[in-house]
Formats: sequence, C-alpha cells, structure tokens
Amino acid sequence: EADIYQTPRYLVIGTGKKITLECSQTMGHDKMYWYQQDPGMELHLIHYSYGVNSTEKGDLSSESTVSRIRTEHFPLTLESARPSHTSQYLCASSEQGARTEAFFGQGTRLTVV
Amino acid sequence: GENVEQHPSTLSVQEGDSAVIKCTYSDSASNYFPWYKQELGKRPQLIIDIRSNVGEKKDQRIAVTLNKTAKHFSLHITETQPEDSAVYFCAASGLGGYQKVTFGTGTKLQVIP
Repeated sequence: EADIYQTPRYLVIGTGKKITLECSQTMGHDKMYWYQQDPGMELHLIHYSYGVNSTEKGDLSSESTVSRIRTEHFPLTLESARPSHTSQYLCASSEQGARTEAFFGQGTRLTVV
Repeated sequence: GENVEQHPSTLSVQEGDSAVIKCTYSDSASNYFPWYKQELGKRPQLIIDIRSNVGEKKDQRIAVTLNKTAKHFSLHITETQPEDSAVYFCAASGLGGYQKVTFGTGTKLQVIP
C-alpha cells in the first residue's frame, strides 16, 4: 500500500549523540518535508525538498541536516542531540505542483536526555 | 513569503452546535487552501480543500468558504460530534510547482458531550 513511513516511532537518546530519523514514501511524490511539532501544537517546517538533490531550509532554525539522494528517501540527521531537540518530528510528501495535499508519516517522537 | 494566521487557538462547543475556524493569508498568489485534522497521537490528515476558483465547498457536515478579496478562508463544522475533537490546521500554497505549503498555527477543538 502506498504510504509514507517513518522510523523509529519512538527514540530516547543521550545528549551529544548523532541520530538519523528515516522517512520513506512509496507514493512517487517529488516534494518532501520535515516538520517539528510539540504535541497538539504548531507545525514548524524545518526542511523541504522539491526532488532529488534539492534541499531547502524551512522557517524554523534547526541544527539538523537532510539529504535527498533518492526520490523516495528523505532522512533527517542531528549531528549532536540536545534536550532542546526533544519533540515530535513529522515527515510529509506531496506531488509536484501547488494544488496538491500533503500526506504525513506517523511521526518520530524523540526524547533527548 | 506566505504567512497564515489562524483563530481561535482553542474552541469548545457543545455537541450538536456549530464550530467555525478562521484563517487569513498574506500572499495574494496563493490559490490552494487545504484543511487538516489531527487527532490525539495521530498524524494530520486532509479533510477538505478549496481552490481559488470557487468560493465554497461542502462535504457532509464540513464546509469551507474562501474570500480571495479579503484573503481569508474558514472551516465550518455543523452538528458537531465528540469525534470531531482534534486539532485543525489550515494551510495555503501558491502558484507553480516550486511552492511550499504554509500552515496556520492550529485550533484545538473540543466537543463537549
């Protein structure tokens, strides 16, 4: 079934560790996004991509990086995790074009201790 | 860039009453306005959208209206039910393929049985 998948769903990690949050979609979408969201709160765009080899920073300053080597894969990396990174991270994708809906993954809930 | 404001941030209604959530946008080039519902612990999902060539769209108990002159759009839920309780996000995106979607800050709707 076409969907967007995020792993892991939950992650508890120590301060200073490097982590990569995985996001893959099987819908053939060109656009992909990463959002940071505290429970029930605003969606903050941290990175987005229009296609392979395209990455842009979003509205929220972030210490993370992304890559887009394959259409279906858009991983997010934190080089050195800090307690302030504790949040939920949502990946989304949409077709190329402005008038298309975004499909969200289940999210990764990250806790940095 | 686009800026989307959403009001109110929280809304409580009695079961059976109507609920209205309002959004304004800044970029007159925006022409696609989706609404997402995020239930507790789940991912946001599209519930209805409207394009700039129409002023109103209905789907059973939910409707969206758009006023392009005033640059605002609204979500209307009639005959609210407890399962309507969730966080609702409005969004806007503009012309062309290389436009990202901009979300509002969210409205937490509580339907009291």
